[in-house]
Amino acid sequence: KQEVTQIPAALSVPEGENLVLNCSFTDSAIYNLQWFRQDPGKGLTSLLLIQSSQREQTSGRLNASLDKSSGRSTLYIAASQPGDSATYLCAVSFGTDKLIFGTGTRLQVFP
Amino acid sequence: DAEITQSPRHKITETGRQVTLACHQTWNHNNMFWYRQDLGHGLRLIHYSYGVQDTNKGEVSDGYSVSRSNTEDLPLTLESAASSQTSVYFCASSSTGSTGELFFGEGSRLTVL
Repeated sequence: KQEVTQIPAALSVPEGENLVLNCSFTDSAIYNLQWFRQDPGKGLTSLLLIQSSQREQTSGRLNASLDKSSGRSTLYIAASQPGDSATYLCAVSFGTDKLIFGTGTRLQVFP
Repeated sequence: DAEITQSPRHKITETGRQVTLACHQTWNHNNMFWYRQDLGHGLRLIHYSYGVQDTNKGEVSDGYSVSRSNTEDLPLTLESAASSQTSVYFCASSSTGSTGELFFGEGSRLTVL
């Protein structure tokens, strides 16, 4: 069964810290992987999309890496800010019609 | 700016009633999706459409239906609401199917009493 797991479920860090969020998946034959941000009571906003042929993608203070052979992706957030507080979800495309979401990591950055 | 809007944002209904959740997008995307989000399950796909008159069942489609009569709208209907359908529902659209960047609405919170 194809599964996507995100650990930890929650994380609390002080402002300014660099942090890493983890996403693991059970099948290395993926099409691509997306990282999303979800604020309380809101929809999901796409942050980064990594194709299976890519190793990483960067947007501002965010960097996402992909290691298909080990079934892992990481989202690196540099110099975290209170405004980064949200739930971060990864979603893996295992084919053109199969997108599986992880349950997310709830991040709190305190001043 | 292009957007995707859902209505109503909150709804309370009774078991057995029919409920329709609306989704309207101005991205001109062919591909539209309905997900439900529940604690401990992440987002699960209910139905999806790759164009007008096209609809497909997702992972958790029992008790739900959709219709696609134009590019902009994909309403989700619960034929006979059940308490197990209490959830937050998200509509999404994409220009390149489920493998492309997804744009989400803000969600509809449904409570079935």
